[in-house]
Amino acid sequence: DAGITQSPRHKVTETGTPVTLRCHQTENHRYMYWYRQDPGHGLRLIHYSYGVKDTDKGEVSDGYSVSRSKTEDFLLTLESATSSQTSVYFCAISDRLAGVGNEQFFGPGTRLTVL
Amino acid sequence: GIQVEQSPPDLILQEGANSTLRCNFSDSVNNLQWFHQNPWGQLINLFYIPSGTKQNGRLSATTVATERYSLLYISSSQTTDSGVYFCAVGSNFGNEKLTFGTGTRLTIIP
Repeated sequence: DAGITQSPRHKVTETGTPVTLRCHQTENHRYMYWYRQDPGHGLRLIHYSYGVKDTDKGEVSDGYSVSRSKTEDFLLTLESATSSQTSVYFCAISDRLAGVGNEQFFGPGTRLTVL
Repeated sequence: GIQVEQSPPDLILQEGANSTLRCNFSDSVNNLQWFHQNPWGQLINLFYIPSGTKQNGRLSATTVATERYSLLYISSSQTTDSGVYFCAVGSNFGNEKLTFGTGTRLTIIP
């Protein structure tokens, strides 16, 4: 257990509404990530953070924004949710440690349905 | 970007059988992980193995980085091994970012 929680765990919302998902970690990990999982695609990276206020885009970032104002929290926002954003969202953490590498650990996931 | 292919896509085995799952990748990597996603959706870390061989109980993994593939071996399968197995890699240029394969769905029949 890498001390990662995600909230909410399940959410149903309507097209056009804003949605914010939260990832919280308790062990001071430097890197945090948001992925989405869809049938036939495995997991795909949306955004990641390499420190407070330092974020970068992944391969499927359109329609998503992120913020990291504290080490322990990484927020994913859908400004105006669309049905194509119905998915399971996973948060992950890692630390790049010399001689150890950059192993990522995943949270329990958030199932989002956009009607 | 880097491409990751896993085979076979589906595998159905009797309890007690052995299996080999394969992961091919298209470029040099300095991060390779194997995960098990259980039927409840939880992603469980199995191995962090950018090169070499590791073993953990009935599971072992080998990565041959120079030939761009990794193998996951499961021996004496149990029903609790059912689920989807993912390989994920980080390339030498941006190893913070993992690229996932589409997975192998393993079903163990009692």
